[in-house]
Amino acid sequence: GQNIDQPTEMTATEGAIVQINCTYQTSGFNGLFWYQQHAGEAPTFLSYNVLDGLEEKGRFSSFLSRSKGYSYLLLKELQMKDSASYLCAVTDSNYQLIWGAGTKLIIKP
Amino acid sequence: TAGITQAPTSQILAAGRSMTLRCTQDMRHNAMYWYRQDLGLGLRLIHYSNTAGTTGKGEVPDGYSVSRANTDDFPLTLASAVPSQTSVYFCASSDSTSGATDTQYFGPGTRLTVL
Repeated sequence: GQNIDQPTEMTATEGAIVQINCTYQTSGFNGLFWYQQHAGEAPTFLSYNVLDGLEEKGRFSSFLSRSKGYSYLLLKELQMKDSASYLCAVTDSNYQLIWGAGTKLIIKP
Repeated sequence: TAGITQAPTSQILAAGRSMTLRCTQDMRHNAMYWYRQDLGLGLRLIHYSNTAGTTGKGEVPDGYSVSRANTDDFPLTLASAVPSQTSVYFCASSDSTSGATDTQYFGPGTRLTVL
């Protein structure tokens, strides 16, 4: 079966750095997405990786290792507004998007 | 730009009743999707449409039907609601005809409670 694993919840301090991991086992791979979802709101796109390596976008970076079936989202200089759930999703060989359950990130002052 | 709109925002529905959740996008995206999101589970695909006039089944299609008469609208119908269909429903769209490799953009969601 297809599976996306991410931690259920993480806590970090304002101004710090946090890394949210995602491992996947899917039938094929055509890219990996990270989305942010604030409570009661819709998911919004953060990043997309299809090749190995690090993609940096401001305070957020996303890393991919296809051979390890592994990705992480790195958030720097954490702000209170970063409190949200972070969803990892993989496009499989049929171009279907398989979603993880999300990691709830709690930022403390 | 409105992006994707969904209606209603929330609804309480008696079991056995039918209901249509509406979704409209103004981005001229080819592909549209319906997901449900339940606590502790990832988004699960109900139905999708790669282009106007075509639809396909996702991971959890039972009890739901869709139509795609034009590019902008993608309604989701529950023919006879059951309590297990209590969920938050998200509509999404992407500018892709080949599948889900393009970024999906989400509507604000419909919170449905079936009693």
